[in-house]
Amino acid sequence: EPEVTQTPSHQVTQMGQEVILRCVPISNHLYFYWYRQILGQKVEFLVSFYNNEISEKSEIFDDQFSVERPDGSNFTLKIRSTKLEDSAMYFCASSEAGGSVTQYFGPGTRLLVL
Amino acid sequence: GIQVEQSPPDLILQEGANSTLRCNFSDSVNNLQWFHQNPWGQLINLFYIPSGTKQNGRLSATTVATERYSLLYISSSQTTDSGVYFCAGGSGSRLTFGEGTQLTVNP
Repeated sequence: EPEVTQTPSHQVTQMGQEVILRCVPISNHLYFYWYRQILGQKVEFLVSFYNNEISEKSEIFDDQFSVERPDGSNFTLKIRSTKLEDSAMYFCASSEAGGSVTQYFGPGTRLLVL
Repeated sequence: GIQVEQSPPDLILQEGANSTLRCNFSDSVNNLQWFHQNPWGQLINLFYIPSGTKQNGRLSATTVATERYSLLYISSSQTTDSGVYFCAGGSGSRLTFGEGTQLTVNP
């Protein structure tokens, strides 16, 4: 069964550094998402992406965040200058269409900012 | 935005017991999913169920869309069922998650 994959599984970085989290969505999916989960808290929506554009973003997704689909298979989340509070599990998800369809989640990247 | 309330927040069972988890939504949703978060943090998709009833082995789910709630049933629980169960819903591309139910199944 096709799966969403994410790399790296774990990343440790210093405050102020840039990080890029990578995702390979399911191949025939057209909608892509990033969510995050701070340790012990619920999962929060960050951004959705379709047709090379952001279709929706949350208040968390400020100017230090950006997303990109650099080629036909990868979908990335960049955090420009990491803060301690960016430490979290970041999940990528994809779906065939937008709205009323299943979103399939990747295994997550655990980011620790020191 | 949509508010999602899950109950109970914690549940401890003996192996073999049955349980019901509930999810209430503050507004109508046309996208509703149940997830199990395993000890490694992975979100395992259990059901996509904006309405109706579905079953998958020992798990089943029912959503009453007109009353804005969904139920997840776990029968004959096993220790491997332990973890956090999340429901999430939305009316567009954004899924809003509940706080989760922490389930512990003891042998």
